[in-house]
Amino acid sequence: EADIYQTPRYLVIGTGKKITLECSQTMGHDKMYWYQQDPGMELHLIHYSYGVNSTEKGDLSSESTVSRIRTEHFPLTLESARPSHTSQYLCASSESGRGLLLDTQYFGPGTRLTVL
Amino acid sequence: KNQVEQSPQSLIILEGKNCTLQCNYTVSPFSNLRWYKQDTGRGPVSLTIMTFSENTKSNGRYTATLDADTKQSSLHITASQLSDSASYICVVSDRGSTLGRLYFGRGTQLTVWP
Repeated sequence: EADIYQTPRYLVIGTGKKITLECSQTMGHDKMYWYQQDPGMELHLIHYSYGVNSTEKGDLSSESTVSRIRTEHFPLTLESARPSHTSQYLCASSESGRGLLLDTQYFGPGTRLTVL
Repeated sequence: KNQVEQSPQSLIILEGKNCTLQCNYTVSPFSNLRWYKQDTGRGPVSLTIMTFSENTKSNGRYTATLDADTKQSSLHITASQLSDSASYICVVSDRGSTLGRLYFGRGTQLTVWP
């Protein structure tokens, strides 16, 4: 069982609100990731981090931002939520290294976001 | 273009029956292929992982096969249980970048009926 947590699990919010999705892991992993997943669709990488003070944008353009001040914490923020942001957001982490270590990602339970 | 295609999109089987899910990929260069199980409302959990040199890998009632020449993989589930109802996602890794880019399929939604 992976020790990676996301809060809240479900969030319904109005347009224009600022929201922060929390992600924490207790495995000491350097690498962390945020994915966006719509029903029946593949996961899309929106942000990743190699370690503290490292953040990069992923493949899918996203209006969200992330920060990595502590190894275990990788929050995602939307400054002004819109209905187009409605989706499931999955956080993941992996160990440092190459090959299988890097590719073994442990996922959190996800946050289901609905913007009205 | 690097892609991962899964079939069927959805599948319904009766409890106790076997089933096979398919994954075709065009990812190059190839590093490894992984099958994940994602329960509704949960994050994906890894079932099996195979590198280029491996043809088959088992994890309990789950058996994955890989044909690197034809770029095809399958996941066989034996004696299905109600708890097998989930989305099964095929994920292929390349070694074309330092990130170790992962390519995700859209998944096969499996429903097991009693």
